[in-house]
Amino acid sequence: AQSVTQPDIHITVSEGASLELRCNYSYGATPYLFWYVQSPGQGLQLLLKYFSGDTLVQGIKGFEAEFKRSQSSFNLRKPSVHWSDAAEYFCAVAPLGTSGTYKYIFGTGTRLKVLA
Amino acid sequence: DTGVSQDPRHKITKRGQNVTFRCDPISEHNRLYWYRQTLGQGPEFLTYFQNEAQLEKSRLLSDRFSAERPKGSFSTLEIQRTEQGDSAMYLCASSLFGAPYEQYFGPGTRLTVT
Repeated sequence: AQSVTQPDIHITVSEGASLELRCNYSYGATPYLFWYVQSPGQGLQLLLKYFSGDTLVQGIKGFEAEFKRSQSSFNLRKPSVHWSDAAEYFCAVAPLGTSGTYKYIFGTGTRLKVLA
Repeated sequence: DTGVSQDPRHKITKRGQNVTFRCDPISEHNRLYWYRQTLGQGPEFLTYFQNEAQLEKSRLLSDRFSAERPKGSFSTLEIQRTEQGDSAMYLCASSLFGAPYEQYFGPGTRLTVT
């Protein structure tokens, strides 16, 4: 079955420190990959996406993610975290060509806390 | 572009009551999705519309749930005879036909069933 695993439920970092959020997926082929951020009271906002090509993807708000096929991973990184980055982060996959629905399968999320 | 809007933002209801949520997608988006997010979980797919046609429903969508998108614009999600297990955030998303993988999410409707 297709699944997305985010092994870290909570992560705490100090402001200015670097950040890496882990995401692993289980799927027969390379799906499309996404990272979304959800702030309290807000909808999910797309940070970045990977479809094909360069395995290092740049997104908004200074985030980037690296796709590693051999590890079935799509980890999110930021070199220097800001207090406003405190939120919940979701990794998602969209399996290709199964039903034409293009629905997402989400991980369980990682809640990021930033210390001043 | 005003984004995806959802109404109401919060709903508290007693078990057994019916509730209806509304989603207004971005105006030119013809694909519309409903997801449900329970506490501590990521969103789970419920159903999908392309224009007014409901093309897929998840097994999560029991017979008590019904969704419509009558004119291919806004959509409604109705839950009949609510149960405590229905308490969740209900998220709506929309996308362009030509960019189906770029889904834009609304702020959600948080349902609490007492």
